[in-house]
Amino acid sequence: GESVGLHLPTLSVQEGDNSIINCAYSNSASDYFIWYKQESGKGPQFIIDIRSNMDKRQGQRVTVLLNKTVKHLSLQIAATQPGDSAVYFCAENEAGNQFYFGTGTSLTVIP
Amino acid sequence: GAGVSQSPSNKVTEKGKDVELRCDPISGHTALYWYRQSLGQGLEFLIYFQGNSAPDKSGLPSDRFSAERTGGSVSTLTIQRTQQEDSAVYLCASSSARLPDTQYFGPGTRLTVL
Repeated sequence: GESVGLHLPTLSVQEGDNSIINCAYSNSASDYFIWYKQESGKGPQFIIDIRSNMDKRQGQRVTVLLNKTVKHLSLQIAATQPGDSAVYFCAENEAGNQFYFGTGTSLTVIP
Repeated sequence: GAGVSQSPSNKVTEKGKDVELRCDPISGHTALYWYRQSLGQGLEFLIYFQGNSAPDKSGLPSDRFSAERTGGSVSTLTIQRTQQEDSAVYLCASSSARLPDTQYFGPGTRLTVL
């Protein structure tokens, strides 16, 4: 089956610094990817998505990069704030089939 | 507008008992998903409802798990004869026909089986 994994289970950054969270996926046919943020005690919250026909997509303070050659996805958060502390995980999807989710990276922002 | 809601937020039950978990999706959303999130694990797909189509039950781990969606809106996930390994957070998500790939999640129900 497919696997979606995150390189680092935890990440600590200083407030104001940029954060980079990485994700590897194994299904080369996956054509849609989502990053979610999950705060303690809450359900996952959609952050940003990207389709396989793109390499980069920017949102507000967040950028997602997709490298299909090495099947790698990253989430960049600019000027990280304490409110960004959460677990971030990626999800992949192939042509409308079910999503596969990674286990998550816990981001801690140090004031 | 209101997001996805789930009830109860926490459920503690004894091994062998049946439980029902409820999900109220965003109004007008045609698709509804159930996932399970165990401690330190990623989301595990359980079941998917889309409009009036037959649900995709391929993720249900055993025949003790079942779900229904009445009137194309509210969904109930039922776990019969609960086991300790059923302890997890059960998450519901919904999406619209216009943006079928963007799932909005509820806060989850934390199930603890003693």
